[in-house]
Amino acid sequence: DVKVTQSSRYLVKRTGEKVFLECVQDMDHENMFWYRQDPGLGLRLIYFSYDVKMKEKGDIPEGYSVSREKKERFSLILESASTNQTSMYLCASSLGTRDEQFFGPGTRLTVL
Amino acid sequence: RKEVEQDPGPFNVPEGATVAFNCTYSNSASQSFFWYRQDCRKEPKLLMSVYSSGNEDGRFTAQLNRASQYISLLIRDSKLSDSATYLCVVNQYNFNKFYFGSGTKLNVKP
Repeated sequence: DVKVTQSSRYLVKRTGEKVFLECVQDMDHENMFWYRQDPGLGLRLIYFSYDVKMKEKGDIPEGYSVSREKKERFSLILESASTNQTSMYLCASSLGTRDEQFFGPGTRLTVL
Repeated sequence: RKEVEQDPGPFNVPEGATVAFNCTYSNSASQSFFWYRQDCRKEPKLLMSVYSSGNEDGRFTAQLNRASQYISLLIRDSKLSDSATYLCVVNQYNFNKFYFGSGTKLNVKP
């Protein structure tokens, strides 16, 4: 059974703080993704990675960076958190780029 | 223009009803299609893939219409447990991206 875990379910940070969101998958999947989900806007892709140390920008990468040093772990970094980054952040993984994505439980981030 | 558009609903139906959702996509180069289900405060989970010939899984039927660029989901004999948000997802191979609709909310009432 595929398992994708995220480091926190709820997080509250202050404007300007550096924020790390961690995601780990246990199925040896090649591809990992970070999305944010906002009401009325659906899921929007921030970054994805198709291999260790590889990353590609999604549709809304501004204000974010990512790191994939190991195959099972994909980190999302908010260099200087802002209030408009308050959102639900979802990590996902998939075996191939065309395959079903498995999601983690999400991190609800509030930036004050 | 959004890549994938869905009616947000909510669709309020009684138990046992048949309900259908449509989803339109803008890029004719889209090549694979899915329906995901998302329960309140939970992560999305795959409900079913949508094949060119259409496919059925129990009470759920998915159809693809490439000419009109829409996919549909039909739920027969609705159960209370079907209450959720249904996300339409479209994959464009050349961009290696999945595009998610914002979801259609279904409420099945006793």
